Parts: sequence; C-alpha cells; structure tokens
Amino acid sequence: AQTVTQSQPEMSVQEAETVTLSCTYDTSESDYYLFWYKQPPSRQMILVIRQEAYKQQNATENRFSVNFQKAAKSFSLKISDSQLGDAAMYFCAYQGGSEKLVFGKGTKLTVNP
Amino acid sequence: GEEVAQTPKHLVRGEGQKAKLYCAPIKGHSYVFWYQQVLKNEFKFLISFQNENVFDETGMPKERFSAKCLPNSPCSLEIQATKLEDSAVYFCASSQSVQGGGYTFGSGTRLTVV
Repeated sequence: AQTVTQSQPEMSVQEAETVTLSCTYDTSESDYYLFWYKQPPSRQMILVIRQEAYKQQNATENRFSVNFQKAAKSFSLKISDSQLGDAAMYFCAYQGGSEKLVFGKGTKLTVNP
Repeated sequence: GEEVAQTPKHLVRGEGQKAKLYCAPIKGHSYVFWYQQVLKNEFKFLISFQNENVFDETGMPKERFSAKCLPNSPCSLEIQATKLEDSAVYFCASSQSVQGGGYTFGSGTRLTVV
C-alpha cells in the first residue's frame, strides 16, 4: 500500500520569507499524481498545487512551487513571500491507480508577523 | 453549483444513536468520495461512488457504516449505533474524473458522539 510521510509536524516562517515543507511517499506505481492541500482553521480543504508523475517539470502556482524528485520519491512544497493568510495545516497527498487520495499527517504552518 | 455542499455542519449524537450526513456534489461531477478526519488530523478514506454505483468501499467499517448516492438526491453517509470513536470531521469530495484532477472538498460535517 502507498504511504505518505510528512516529517515536520510544525513549521514556522517570518512574513515575506520562504519556507519549504517536506513530503516523501512510497509506491511501486509509475503513474500517479501528487497534491498539496491547505486546510485553514475553517477546515475547508483547498487544493494548492498538483504534479503529474510523468512530468519532469516542477509545478508552480504563483508563490507556491514544488520540488518533485521522482527517483527519491520526494515532493516538497516551497512557499515564497509568505503571507499571514498562508498559516494553515498543509497536507501532502498521493493518488495512484486506486484513485483514492492517500494523505500525510500534515504540517502545521505558522506565519509570524 | 460550484461547491460541494455538506449538511449539517455540526452534529451531536449520544452513543448508540444514528447519524446521517449529506453531501451534494458539484453538478456534472461523476465521482464522490467520503473521508473521515480524526482529531489527530489523519484522513481515512471511507468510500467512493461513480454516479450511484459504489466504486471503492475498502475503507468502510462494514458493521455500522453505510452510504448511498441516489439519482437526483444528495449522497448520504449513515452511521448506525454511533460510538465515541466515530467523533470526527467527515468530508465529502467530488471530481469530474477519477484520477489526476484533484477533488473539490466540501466544508465537512463535524460529528461529536457524547
């Protein structure tokens, strides 16, 4: 079975600075998708960014970018120019042939003014 | 609509009572997923539907949990004889395709069993 590991239960960053959240996964599949979701205190799950495993180019969405290392099974999220509104739980998720999302346990990001 | 609508937002049940949660997926989305998020933030997959058909039910506790997606009705997740350990936030999500697009999540139903 696939597993997703987020090794940082909590992270903090100063406003306007850059932070990287780590995620590793374990799979024997070659075709899959990876996602980062943001969950603010409202608990609404918001899709931040997604990456297709067959694409070598790292996905980017405005201030959010990923470092996808397929061989290392690593999928980190970089948030640039951090804003107070970025404070939330961040979940890394894997989706393979079984279709359902497999989530990591989350990283709580605090943004300090 | 363009959002996944979950009702109710909060539900409190005494141990042994029944709980029923509802989810209206985005119009045109064929797939519906239910997840349980427990207090430690861990997500557990419960069940998925393709239209009204069960697609994957490998996460469902068979004894007390059941779910349906009927035509022209919100999908539902029912828990018979709730237990304290069922306290969690239950998320519904919908998707146009089964893989790759990412889901659109509802805002969840917080179930508290007392």
